[in-house]
Amino acid sequence: DAGVTQSPTHLIKTRGQQVTLRCSPKSGHDTVSWYQQALGQGPQFIFQYYEEEERQRGNFPDRFSGHQFPNYSSELNVNALLLGDSALYLCASSLFGGAVYEQYFGPGTRLTVT
Amino acid sequence: AQSVTQLDSHVSVSEGTPVLLRCNYSSSYSPSLFWYVQHPNKGLQLLLKYTSAATLVKGINGFEAEFKKSETSFHLTKPSAHMSDAAEYFCVVSDLGGATNKLIFGTGTLLAVQP
Repeated sequence: DAGVTQSPTHLIKTRGQQVTLRCSPKSGHDTVSWYQQALGQGPQFIFQYYEEEERQRGNFPDRFSGHQFPNYSSELNVNALLLGDSALYLCASSLFGGAVYEQYFGPGTRLTVT
Repeated sequence: AQSVTQLDSHVSVSEGTPVLLRCNYSSSYSPSLFWYVQHPNKGLQLLLKYTSAATLVKGINGFEAEFKKSETSFHLTKPSAHMSDAAEYFCVVSDLGGATNKLIFGTGTLLAVQP
């Protein structure tokens, strides 16, 4: 049983560009949450998707958007990249309505903006 | 609003000695608290959880934590450190005020274990 997978592992982009990160949830999970982890910081909640809709959003600008597909996989899109967007982006999957601690995290995508 | 404060950004111990990672929380109601561990290039892993049951919580790999409401603390301990415990540890509180119970992380404590 595959856990949460994310692609790509690493990514280097230039300021102003756009980026798309991908996440496949753990088998049986239907909810995907995205977190941003800046260097030396704890992860911060970006948003959560369930039934292909954004259910809750953290304190992130509209440059951050997402999508969930019918197979529950998800994408995180960031437009007009800033140097400050450099971070590890974590995806977590869970079962909607399940215990909050039953979120499984992927290994992350390391985004570097130059 | 819920928040957690990890009191030490770095902790260094010798192998075989006790580990103490400190966390204080702030919550307007009875919180759910967790400790997660992050090894390099691996996903976050749940170590243990407190959800208003027993105040002394046992987790994986010999770790445990005690919920102390009077001190608003949830410190992580282990009697004897192992080299494989070297990692970053996060104290986490769940935001039950939201519709989706998002996790709110502390800034992390990097644990180094010396041979």
